[in-house]
Amino acid sequence: EAGVAQSPRYKIIEKRQSVAFWCNPISGHATLYWYQQILGQGPKLLIQFQNNGVVDDSQLPKDRFSAERLKGVDSTLKIQPAKLEDSAVYLCASSFWGGNKETQYFGPGTRLLVL
Amino acid sequence: AQKITQTQPGMFVQEKEAVTLDCTYDTSDPSYGLFWYKQPSSGEMIFLIYQGSYDQQNATEGRYSLNFQKARKSANLVISASQLGDSAMYFCAMEEAGNMLTFGGGTRLMVKP
Repeated sequence: EAGVAQSPRYKIIEKRQSVAFWCNPISGHATLYWYQQILGQGPKLLIQFQNNGVVDDSQLPKDRFSAERLKGVDSTLKIQPAKLEDSAVYLCASSFWGGNKETQYFGPGTRLLVL
Repeated sequence: AQKITQTQPGMFVQEKEAVTLDCTYDTSDPSYGLFWYKQPSSGEMIFLIYQGSYDQQNATEGRYSLNFQKARKSANLVISASQLGDSAMYFCAMEEAGNMLTFGGGTRLMVKP
């Protein structure tokens, strides 16, 4: 089966510009996650969706970050305006319940560089 | 306080030898899950192995095994017969209520030929 798809793979922008990332989860996975991974650190959860509803966005900087999953399938994450400290890899993951556990499967990520 | 701690920023291992990557965790939730992911230089996080807090036996998946010591709150990953392709970052993660994953800082494993 196809994995989690993300685009673009790389993005370079200047500070104060806007940027959007797209994620298509594995077919049938109801739960979708966006993570931010700063260089040298582990991923940090930004937002979790269950179908098209937000489960947790407590770590999303809502003054500049927004995310949506309108039809409960693919999702977009937007940053507006970007800051230098937003330079990171943005990982999307989706999950399903099976074998007595919920396993998250990750996409290849989008590497963002803010200049 | 850190929920997931990986104390080894980098590790070397000789090809074909076994290596243990350390992970300790902190939670007051009686029900939780522990995951290990591999992240090669391409950036994708690859699921390796899972241990549930109520599982009686240590998890194993091929060359990967998890040394789960619940009382000590540790969940170390053991890779047997290391291969050059095992060179990557390895992340320990914990899932508590709500399916949220909290990741450690990672360990970079380098396999020497």
